[in-house]
Amino acid sequence: ELKVEQNPLFLSMQEGKNYTIYCNYSTTSDRLYWYRQDPGKSLESLFVLLSNGAVKQEGRLMASLDTKARLSTLHITAAVHDLSATYFCAPREGRDDKIIFGKGTRLHILP
Amino acid sequence: EADIYQTPRYLVIGTGKKITLECSQTMGHDKMYWYQQDPGMELHLIHYSYGVNSTEKGDLSSESTVSRIRTEHFPLTLESARPSHTSQYLCASSGYIKFHEQYFGPGTRLTVT
Repeated sequence: ELKVEQNPLFLSMQEGKNYTIYCNYSTTSDRLYWYRQDPGKSLESLFVLLSNGAVKQEGRLMASLDTKARLSTLHITAAVHDLSATYFCAPREGRDDKIIFGKGTRLHILP
Repeated sequence: EADIYQTPRYLVIGTGKKITLECSQTMGHDKMYWYQQDPGMELHLIHYSYGVNSTEKGDLSSESTVSRIRTEHFPLTLESARPSHTSQYLCASSGYIKFHEQYFGPGTRLTVT
């Protein structure tokens, strides 16, 4: 059974700073997704990472995947207040399209 | 652009009532999913479907049932609502394009009194 651990679960940071969210998972997975959720809203897809060494970037967010270490990271560069949200990682379980969500990282960026 | 709809968006209902949460998508996706999410918590898969007449239970035990008679429609039914069912219910769908990325609907926030 695939288990997902994100850390930190809560992060308060100043605008302009850099930080990284970590996503570890317990069994082999060939695909991992990152989602963003604003308070009271639904989930918005950020990245799909398909292979070992994959790196995707969108604006101030960059995600990477190391399937051998069973680790994905979401790096925030020069944070701005608009990035305040909860971020979920979700690796695929097995070969079907079930994905298992981490507990989420609640990011609060102080102006 | 993802087109997945859920109704109602908010529902307050008394214990023992039967309710159906609606989910429809216009993207022609084969796969659809229902998740339950308590405030500030992770999502738990409660049901999924890989196509018409296909339904499976997810990882979280649920007293709800689903049906998939049409590709675009995946309703979730609670036969007898209880306060423990109070939560947010999110519907999602995915297809072969974009690597089975799941698109989420806006959610239904259910309160059972």
